[in-house]
Amino acid sequence: GVTQSPTHLIKTRGQQVTLRCSSQSGHNTVSWYQQALGQGPQFIFQYYREEENGRGNFPPRFSGLQFPNDSSELNVNALELDDSALYLCASSLEKGGGTDTQYFGPGTRLTVL
Amino acid sequence: QKEVEQDPGPLSVPEGAIVSLNCTYSNSAFQYFMWYRQYSRKGPELLMYTYSSGNKEDGRFTAQVDKSSKYISLFIRDSQPSDSATYLCAMTRTGFQKLVFGTGTRLLVSP
Repeated sequence: GVTQSPTHLIKTRGQQVTLRCSSQSGHNTVSWYQQALGQGPQFIFQYYREEENGRGNFPPRFSGLQFPNDSSELNVNALELDDSALYLCASSLEKGGGTDTQYFGPGTRLTVL
Repeated sequence: QKEVEQDPGPLSVPEGAIVSLNCTYSNSAFQYFMWYRQYSRKGPELLMYTYSSGNKEDGRFTAQVDKSSKYISLFIRDSQPSDSATYLCAMTRTGFQKLVFGTGTRLLVSP
């Protein structure tokens, strides 16, 4: 399945953070979502074959990388208090989230103080 | 107005009850509709996946889509305490990279 690390993370405002995801083997697409407390997940961006393939309404300080070995990263610079949330990655076999099932990881809970 | 509206609950029912969970949406272009279950401190788990209008049944779960009303439902028969979780509806369309989620409905099934 999809795994994420770390499970929990505490940072202070202004710091930078890197979250990691390991996709299901053979999946070409990874998407990242932010889930604030009591809200549904919000799409951050998607990577397909190591290229960004779509982005939601998140500022450029949210960036990502996808590697050939089924792993990917979400980087957030200049952390703000509102960045406190559960960060979810989801992998799928093909490009796009409509016709292909997205499998979610357990998430990384980020707290910004 | 949000693209997808979902009552956050909580919805409390006794064990064995039939549960009805619902979402409304505003974007008529949505074609693919999903229900995810999310336990506390876990990631969402796909329960049901439907395309366009109609019904789909899987065990105790039935998903309904009414595109004319922009309304989707998930029914859970013979609900169990283990069904206690947050249920998220999600939807998308061909060529869209993202899933658009509702806020989730928290369901509590008491023994």
